[in-house]
Amino acid sequence: KNEVEQSPQNLTAQEGEFITINCSYSVGISALHWLQQHPGGGIVSLFMLSSGKKKHGRLIATINIQEKHSSLHITASHPRDSAVYICAVRGVTQGGSEKLVFGKGTKLTVNP
Amino acid sequence: KAGVTQTPRYLIKTRGQQVTLSCSPISGHRSVSWYQQTPGQGLQFLFEYFSETQRNKGNFPGRFSGRQFSNSRSEMNVSTLELGDSALYLCASSPERTSGEYNEQFFGPGTRLTVL
Repeated sequence: KNEVEQSPQNLTAQEGEFITINCSYSVGISALHWLQQHPGGGIVSLFMLSSGKKKHGRLIATINIQEKHSSLHITASHPRDSAVYICAVRGVTQGGSEKLVFGKGTKLTVNP
Repeated sequence: KAGVTQTPRYLIKTRGQQVTLSCSPISGHRSVSWYQQTPGQGLQFLFEYFSETQRNKGNFPGRFSGRQFSNSRSEMNVSTLELGDSALYLCASSPERTSGEYNEQFFGPGTRLTVL
């Protein structure tokens, strides 16, 4: 079982719809990142969370530490939101070092 | 401020060769991390450097190594290339961690390495 699970793997929506992408993790973490990757490879960091909720424009990210779960919401989705969204958690290995572990990503396509 | 830059952007090598990739962080950022992205494994953490010291390392063989210079620029090296090393190699920089809080990472465009 992967340490970080994202769902769904693929998501197709119509412009204007409300989008939710979920991330569950099985390790203790100190921070969780949501990343956006457009075709061509460029990655942009959207949010970094250690608790609660953050909002930036039409994007909202929440995290529930007790349930080891985070969600990324996109309100009023737009075709330019089409990208792969990746959840990453920063945890501590058994050896005591830190590492960033990534989910497999959710490919979002928003049709006009 | 200029973003994170990586050179070269594309590289083709043959099995057995070695390769060096370069990353220049955002000015003022002292932490640099390297990641490998493949279609099968997705994104995987390679290593993190801070002030010329390797702070963390992922589960990659010793053929993968890196270093950071006093100006925070970083290089990673892969020796004895294998076909499976074909991937997008991404570098990310972040400001110095303060008060135990982690800072956002800023990613470069990546170097796409193809091993033939």
